[in-house]
Order: sequence, then structure tokens, then C-alpha cells
Amino acid sequence: QVRLQESGPGLVKPSQTLSLTCTVSGGSISSGSYYWSWIRQPAGKGLEWIGRIYTSGSTNYNPSLKSRVTLSVDTSKNQFSLKLNSVTAADTAVYYCAREFLWSAMLDPWGQGTLVTVSS
Amino acid sequence: EIVLTQSPGTLSLSPGERATLSCRASESVGSSHLAWYQQKPGQAPRLLIYGASSRATGIPDRFSGSGSGTDFTLTISRLEPEDFAVYYCQQFGGSPLFTFGPGTKVDIK
Repeated sequence: QVRLQESGPGLVKPSQTLSLTCTVSGGSISSGSYYWSWIRQPAGKGLEWIGRIYTSGSTNYNPSLKSRVTLSVDTSKNQFSLKLNSVTAADTAVYYCAREFLWSAMLDPWGQGTLVTVSS
Repeated sequence: EIVLTQSPGTLSLSPGERATLSCRASESVGSSHLAWYQQKPGQAPRLLIYGASSRATGIPDRFSGSGSGTDFTLTISRLEPEDFAVYYCQQFGGSPLFTFGPGTKVDIK
């Protein structure tokens, strides 16, 4: 059974770069059958899709964040990563990673999420 | 951007009652591109329904999805205590690729 686990700093200063990693266990990130996504959720609010990456490195981003987001994949570590630069308080949220079976239009499973707070 | 609207915002019901949740899209969504998730406090969303009407693995048959075009429905036939949660619909294929509705909270009456 595939499991995803987010990791990274819980506190980031304004204008700096938020960096998170999602580690995949119970399956290979290189299987070729999946996209790997990031989603975020501010406290008490809804879900916002950030972007996704394929094992080849091909990416799709949310246009609202595209200028600040970079996704990458490290198949040797079975991980994929998110970098969001020039963060502000508005980027404070729980960040989730999730798997999408190729063009299945659904996200399953999700990691447990990690809270990132942007504050000086 | 395809905007999803969910109604009602909050649904107050008792265990054993039937819950009917609505998701309306600002433009037509392919039926294979509509999913529903359940989220409990402090937990990640869990996939319930994909392709508008197919239950995900391990989801009880009291959960059912229906609809097409711009109008979709999630029905919980008999609410169990563990079903009180927030439910989100999600579409795929617009720009951005994934968008979510604002959620419907099902709470105990």
C-alpha cells in the first residue's frame, strides 16, 4: 500500500523560499503510471492545487502560482519536492502531497499534510 | 477557470438520516473528471467517489455519486457517526487542472 509523507521546515520567513519534500513508500515513484501533486489548505479554508510532476520531470502548475513554484523529482530517493519562492503570510497553510493515476482525474492517496507558517 | 459551487454550506442532520450534497460547475465537466473527498478535522482528504459515480476502494456503499454536465450530487444514504465531516467536490481538466469546491460541512443536529 502506497504511503506519502511530507517533510520540511514548519516556519519560513517572508520573502524566503518554502521547500518541502514528499517521500513515497510502498511503491516506486518511477513506475510511470502516476503523476505526483502538491495541494495546500489555509487554516479553515478550502483546497488549492499547486501543481504536479511526472517521473520524466514534466510539470503542470496552477497559473496563479506558476511564477513562484518549482517541482522536482528524485527517483533515486523515491521523493518529489516543492519550492515556493517569495513567500508571504498568504502562503501559510497545510501542504499535502498526493498521487494521481495517469490522467485518472483523482488524487489518491494523500499524505497526512504538514503545516508551514510564514512569519518573521 | 472552472468554478465549483457546493450547497448547502452546512448540513445539520442526525445519524441514520439521508444526506444530499450538491456540486455545481461553472461550465460542463466530463463525468469521468468529477471526484468527491471527505475530510475530518486534522486529517487529509480521503477519496470517496471518482468518475462522478464510482466508489473508491474501501468506501461503504452508503456513499453514492451521480450527475453529469454541470450538476453533481453526493448522497449518503444513512449517516453513520463517522460520516460527520467536510465534503469537497473536485474537477479535472480546466485551468488549473484541478479545482475544488468550497466544501459542505455535515454536522450533527
